[in-house]
Amino acid sequence: SQTIHQWPATLVQPVGSPLSLECTVEGTSNPNLYWYRQAAGRGLQLLFYSVGIGQISSEVPQNLSASRPQDRQFILSSKKLLLSDSGFYLCAWSVVFGNTIYFGEGSWLTVV
Amino acid sequence: GENVEQHPSTLSVQEGDSAVIKCTYSDSASNYFPWYKQELGKRPQLIIDIRSNVGEKKDQRIAVTLNKTAKHFSLHITETQPEDSAVYFCAVINAGGTSYGKLTFGQGTILTVHP
Repeated sequence: SQTIHQWPATLVQPVGSPLSLECTVEGTSNPNLYWYRQAAGRGLQLLFYSVGIGQISSEVPQNLSASRPQDRQFILSSKKLLLSDSGFYLCAWSVVFGNTIYFGEGSWLTVV
Repeated sequence: GENVEQHPSTLSVQEGDSAVIKCTYSDSASNYFPWYKQELGKRPQLIIDIRSNVGEKKDQRIAVTLNKTAKHFSLHITETQPEDSAVYFCAVINAGGTSYGKLTFGQGTILTVHP
């Protein structure tokens, strides 16, 4: 069966520091991958999605970026974090683009 | 792009009562409507979904109904239990246009079931 893992689960970072969140999917090939952010426990905002290696689509202009160096690996990065970047970040995947998506465990980011 | 409105934002019921959450969407090309349940501090998990060629779907105590003409769909939970307490999100997937394949979420409903 397919599983999705993301890490770290929690992190506290100072303003201006870099960020790297990583996500991997197991048990499937060529998944569609997504990064969502959830602020204040409500509202899921799509940040990036990828339909294949090296293919990244950005939904919201911001100081975050995403990369997909391997088929089942999706990375969310920032060179300099802002206070407003704090939130719950969720990686997700789907077999077919436009079909059911399944979320990873999430990463709690607090920027101080 | 797609716009999804979810109501109510909070819902409080007594154990054993029914709960209904409603979502409306704007894009008539949308064709897939999942519902997610998110417990405090955890990931959203799919609980039920419905496609545009079906009007109703039921899974034990939960059901979803879809009215394509009116562009709204609803989650129904019967015989609620305290463990049903969570945030529920509706979502819509677009079948075409610039929003093709993207999942747009409602704002969420905090459901509290009192014992």
